[in-house]
Amino acid sequence: QVQLVQSGAEVKKPGASVKVSCKASGYTLTNYYMHWVRQAPGQGLEWMGIINPSGGSTSYAQKFQGRVTMTSDTSTSTVYMELGSLRSEDTAVFYCARGNYYEGRSGTLFDYWGQGTLVTVSS
Amino acid sequence: DIQMTQSPSSLSASVGDRVTITCRASQSINSYLNWYQQKPGKAPKVLIHAASSLQSGVPSRFSGSGSGTDFTLTISSLQPEDFATYYCQQSFSSSFTFGQGTRLEIK
Repeated sequence: QVQLVQSGAEVKKPGASVKVSCKASGYTLTNYYMHWVRQAPGQGLEWMGIINPSGGSTSYAQKFQGRVTMTSDTSTSTVYMELGSLRSEDTAVFYCARGNYYEGRSGTLFDYWGQGTLVTVSS
Repeated sequence: DIQMTQSPSSLSASVGDRVTITCRASQSINSYLNWYQQKPGKAPKVLIHAASSLQSGVPSRFSGSGSGTDFTLTISSLQPEDFATYYCQQSFSSSFTFGQGTRLEIK
């Protein structure tokens, strides 16, 4: 069965970087894009960006441009999201989510999600 | 970017009630609209894609409708496990915007 297992909670100081991993199993990593979504405490869902594990091409939400880097390691079926220049407002749960297409790749849904990784930014 | 606006932001209802949540896009997104359910401390779960296509395993009391800019999620008869937060999401543009969420609470 498809599973996305994320790395554990992190505590970081302002200005630092965090790297969250998402290990995929039950399917071929390179056959699907992976998305990252942020959720601040008590808030809604915010799309951060997407990576194509086959080749590593990425696209990031404008809000995170210059601070986020998404990478993949096909040998371990793992994708990574690194967020830099952390500030207190970045305290959130970060999710990876598999993107699946419908209607001939015109539409996308996030059909499997990781369990989430809490990143706390505090001095 | 396409903005997605849900209403209401919160809703109180009783088991057995029929409830409707609305999602409006700032521009036409055809039918590229998904609905997710999220329970506290858990990852979201997709319920509906393409505005009205029920995901496998999702109870038939959930239904979706709409196209263009206006969409609805309807739960025909609320069950105790349905009390959660619901989000719409557009996939028409590659910004994959979510609505702000609708919290469904027990009355």
